[in-house]
Amino acid sequence: GAGVSQSPRYKVAKRGQDVALRCDPISGHVSLFWYQQALGQGPEFLTYFQNEAQLDKSGLPSDRFFAERPEGSVSTLKIQRTQQEDSAVYLCASSQIGLAGDYEQYFGPGTRLTVT
Amino acid sequence: DQQVKQNSPSLSVQEGRISILNCDYTNSMFDYFLWYKKYPAEGPTFLISISSIKDKNEDGRFTVFLNKSAKHLSLHIVPSQPGDSAVYFCAASPFGRQLTFGSGTQLTVLP
Repeated sequence: GAGVSQSPRYKVAKRGQDVALRCDPISGHVSLFWYQQALGQGPEFLTYFQNEAQLDKSGLPSDRFFAERPEGSVSTLKIQRTQQEDSAVYLCASSQIGLAGDYEQYFGPGTRLTVT
Repeated sequence: DQQVKQNSPSLSVQEGRISILNCDYTNSMFDYFLWYKKYPAEGPTFLISISSIKDKNEDGRFTVFLNKSAKHLSLHIVPSQPGDSAVYFCAASPFGRQLTFGSGTQLTVLP
């Protein structure tokens, strides 16, 4: 079956522009996560959905960041008035809660955002 | 405050030998631990996981060991192959929620 897909793969934005990043999770996966990865670092948590409910947005760095998953499948991460420090790879992951308590998250290829 | 630490940024191993990657954590709430492998321009690929009720999990050439009292986990790859060359991240999670990642170890397997 298809894995997690993300689009666009690369995005260049001028400072101050708004951007929207899309994530298509694995079909049937209840949980969806967004992470931000800076160069040379591990991914850092941004926000988490269970179905359409956003259960945790504690990792969003500012109120310019907004995420939604209105029908419990596709999710969009929106960044308003982009700043240079927003330049990073944005990763989406999905998982299902296994009966054995296994919570593997499967990642998409990421969107590399460059703000100039 | 880094809750998950990978203290070795790089590791080189001869093909056929064992690769051992290490990871330490500080948060006692973590109950599920994972290793991911990452190639450039790709997302992390899940390798192997272990829950806190176990101390070892094997999958083919990959074995993960968990020492809860020391808050330490390790990934063993035997035998190492050139295709294993990548960045390896350990990650930890409380109860199926968000992952906290280490900073990664670049493994190079020399032919």
